[in-house]
Amino acid sequence: EPEVTQTPSHQVTQMGQEVILRCVPISNHLYFYWYRQILGQKVEFLVSFYNNEISEKSEIFDDQFSVERPDGSNFTLKIRSTKLEDSAMYFCASSELRSNQPQHFGDGTRLSIL
Amino acid sequence: AQTVTQSQPEMSVQEAETVTLSCTYDTSESDYYLFWYKQPPSRQMILVIRQEAYKQQNATENRFSVNFQKAAKSFSLKISDSQLGDAAMYFCAYRSVEYGNKLVFGAGTILRVKS
Repeated sequence: EPEVTQTPSHQVTQMGQEVILRCVPISNHLYFYWYRQILGQKVEFLVSFYNNEISEKSEIFDDQFSVERPDGSNFTLKIRSTKLEDSAMYFCASSELRSNQPQHFGDGTRLSIL
Repeated sequence: AQTVTQSQPEMSVQEAETVTLSCTYDTSESDYYLFWYKQPPSRQMILVIRQEAYKQQNATENRFSVNFQKAAKSFSLKISDSQLGDAAMYFCAYRSVEYGNKLVFGAGTILRVKS
């Protein structure tokens, strides 16, 4: 069964540095998402992406965040100047165009900011 | 804004027994989707079951079934014949039909399965 893949599985970065998290969505999916889960807390929506543009974003997704689909397969989340509170698990998800189809999640990237 | 509440931080069940995880939600919409996701220690979020609000029939996937009470805004998950592999964090999630595709998650319930 096709799956969403995320790299790296764990990223350790110094505060203030830029980090890029990578995702390869399922190939025939057209909607892409990023979610965040701070340790011990609920999963929170960050952003959704469709047709090469952001379709929705949360209050968390401020100017230090950006997303990109640089080619036909990758979907990336960039954090420009990381802060300690960015430490979390970041999940990528993708779904088909039809709204009744579920989102499929990757295994997540654990981001640790030192 | 929609909210999802899971009032049980942790539940335990004996292997082969049945357990029910609770979920309530708040929305003013009449049509929406509800999901249960499982997150084992390996961290991957796995879709367990989904329910479309306009369908009155409760969804079932093998040992997993839901009790969807639309008027009460309740969406509980029943796991029958519990297995050790069912041990995980379970998240209830809501998705609007009209207003975007984002999932709104509850806080999660840790399910422990005793052998």
